[in-house]
Amino acid sequence: DGGITQSPKYLFRKEGQNVTLSCEQNLNHDAMYWYRQDPGQGLRLIYYSQIVNDFQKGDIAEGYSVSREKKESFPLTVTSAQKNPTAFYLCASSSQGYGYTFGSGTRLTVV
Amino acid sequence: EDQVTQSPEALRLQEGESSSLNCSYTVSGLRGLFWYRQDPGKGPEFLFTLYSAGEEKEKERLKATLTKKESFLHITAPKPEDSATYLCAVQAGRSGGSNYKLTFGKGTLLTVNP
Repeated sequence: DGGITQSPKYLFRKEGQNVTLSCEQNLNHDAMYWYRQDPGQGLRLIYYSQIVNDFQKGDIAEGYSVSREKKESFPLTVTSAQKNPTAFYLCASSSQGYGYTFGSGTRLTVV
Repeated sequence: EDQVTQSPEALRLQEGESSSLNCSYTVSGLRGLFWYRQDPGKGPEFLFTLYSAGEEKEKERLKATLTKKESFLHITAPKPEDSATYLCAVQAGRSGGSNYKLTFGKGTLLTVNP
């Protein structure tokens, strides 16, 4: 079955540590997105990519980095520069600008 | 800047008590309005896409409608399993690099008591 796989489901980060969240899709979608979800704030766009080897900053890109070396993969790195990384992270993909298909999310906690 | 406002923030219903959720939007040329359902700790699940004012779509107990300024998600005779957060999002019809982005509202948390 086609879909989006996010891993891990839960992730713990120590202060000053970089961590990478994985997102893989087998839907043959061109565009991929990373959102952050905090209680009471809805979904906020971190980065998005519409083609391989190209990506753009979203509304809250500071402290995050991405790469898009393959159509199927769009990993997100949460760097030590992100001061408040504890949140629920959602990856999504879309084709031809239509609605998104979401992954099941990664919950990141700073310990 | 595209904006989406959902109301109410939270809604508690008795089983069988019909109601509606509201999504007001401002966007430069609406390409599509999307409704999603999200259960706790999970990713949003697609429900509907509406493209033009006057359009309606139905799925089981849910019916989505669209005007030029807002969308409603009507829930008829809800059941406890309809409890979830319902998210509304808009996609602008701009050309260029940002024309795939969805702008989301903060959601409405629906609780249906048995």
